[in-house]
Amino acid sequence: GEDVEQSLFLSVREGDSSVINCTYTDSSSTYLYWYKQEPGAGLQLLTYIFSNMDMKQDQRLTVLLNKKDKHLSLRIADTQTGDSAIYFCAETEGGSQGNLIFGKGTKLSVKP
Amino acid sequence: DAGITQSPRHKVTETGTPVTLRCHQTENHRYMYWYRQDPGHGLRLIHYSYGVKDTDKGEVSDGYSVSRSKTEDFLLTLESATSSQTSVYFCAISDPLAGAGETQYFGPGTRLLVL
Repeated sequence: GEDVEQSLFLSVREGDSSVINCTYTDSSSTYLYWYKQEPGAGLQLLTYIFSNMDMKQDQRLTVLLNKKDKHLSLRIADTQTGDSAIYFCAETEGGSQGNLIFGKGTKLSVKP
Repeated sequence: DAGITQSPRHKVTETGTPVTLRCHQTENHRYMYWYRQDPGHGLRLIHYSYGVKDTDKGEVSDGYSVSRSKTEDFLLTLESATSSQTSVYFCAISDPLAGAGETQYFGPGTRLLVL
């Protein structure tokens, strides 16, 4: 079945760039997503990329998609302490009615 | 923020009791989902609905039932709660006619503790 893999932890210093990586298995995914979850809160949509795109930039966020390798990354420029959260990668489940398959999440810790 | 509310936000119950969680949306989105989030497992889909009275099972549906009698409400019922159902439950909505059609928007979550 479909699977989404992420590393569980990432630690960076404030002001540095963070890169969170994700691999997925379903080559028929239409969209790929990044969600952010702060402690005690729900998941907040950060950004998404359509599968026919290679890159998408939105302010401090850059998403890169390598369809050949089924690799997705999220780069956060000038990382701030407020970026500390869990980041989830998700792919659309092929053939489903919009169901998403989520990775287990990467916990980003930003040190001052 | 998408207009999604969940109630209750926190609940403590005893093993064997029935529990119903409610998800309410004001966005008129067609699809609604229930997930559970557990350490080490990420989010797992329990059930989803693609319209009024139209529902289907997700990855971890055993022990759960759902109902959708109105577009705006999606109920998740634990018929006889067990300790393994202690979790954080999230509702989500999406609509294929709205923007990136498969994008899901999440509610704030319900923390359920089954003793």
